[in-house]
Amino acid sequence: KAGVTQTPRYLIKTRGQQVTLSCSPISGHRSVSWYQQTPGQGLQFLFEYFSETQRNKGNFPGRFSGRQFSNSRSEMNVSTLELGDSALYLCASNVGAPTTDTQYFGPGTRLTVL
Amino acid sequence: GESVGLHLPTLSVQEGDNSIINCAYSNSASDYFIWYKQESGKGPQFIIDIRSNMDKRQGQRVTVLLNKTVKHLSLQIAATQPGDSAVYFCAENGGAGSYQLTFGKGTKLSVIP
Repeated sequence: KAGVTQTPRYLIKTRGQQVTLSCSPISGHRSVSWYQQTPGQGLQFLFEYFSETQRNKGNFPGRFSGRQFSNSRSEMNVSTLELGDSALYLCASNVGAPTTDTQYFGPGTRLTVL
Repeated sequence: GESVGLHLPTLSVQEGDNSIINCAYSNSASDYFIWYKQESGKGPQFIIDIRSNMDKRQGQRVTVLLNKTVKHLSLQIAATQPGDSAVYFCAENGGAGSYQLTFGKGTKLSVIP
């Protein structure tokens, strides 16, 4: 079974631009979570989707948004990019809920904001 | 202000020795705990999990111990190998009804050949 895939793997943007990242979960998984990983803050939860509904959102500004499609694929969007948004963005999927069954991570998208 | 990077605790072990990585979790309501391994340039990889109705669980070369009294989790790796070199994270679920995992800051394991 294929793992979680994320595209693109690397992105370079400039301040003020916006970016969209994509995540395809493991087949059969309906929950998708997004995390931001930085050297300063570690792994921080962004949001979680299940059956196209956002069930939980982390403490991030409204510039960070996401959505999930009927095939469980998910996208996250960051508008008006800031230098501090440079990070590894990780997507994870699981069958039902990340808090009751195993969550599997993708390789991440490395975003650099110049 | 200036961004300060995380100063990850580092554990250096000799190849073949056993490793013990510790984690203190924060939420007494958490009832599901997971250990992940992250190698450089890759996403976190699931190692082992444990639910709060257990205090020990064993996998292949790994054992997780849970002490709910002091909110402490540990990961034991037997016969540590160079391929075990990575950053290890513990995560907790925050209890029933939560939909997010909270991750610890991580411990860097370096295996000396």
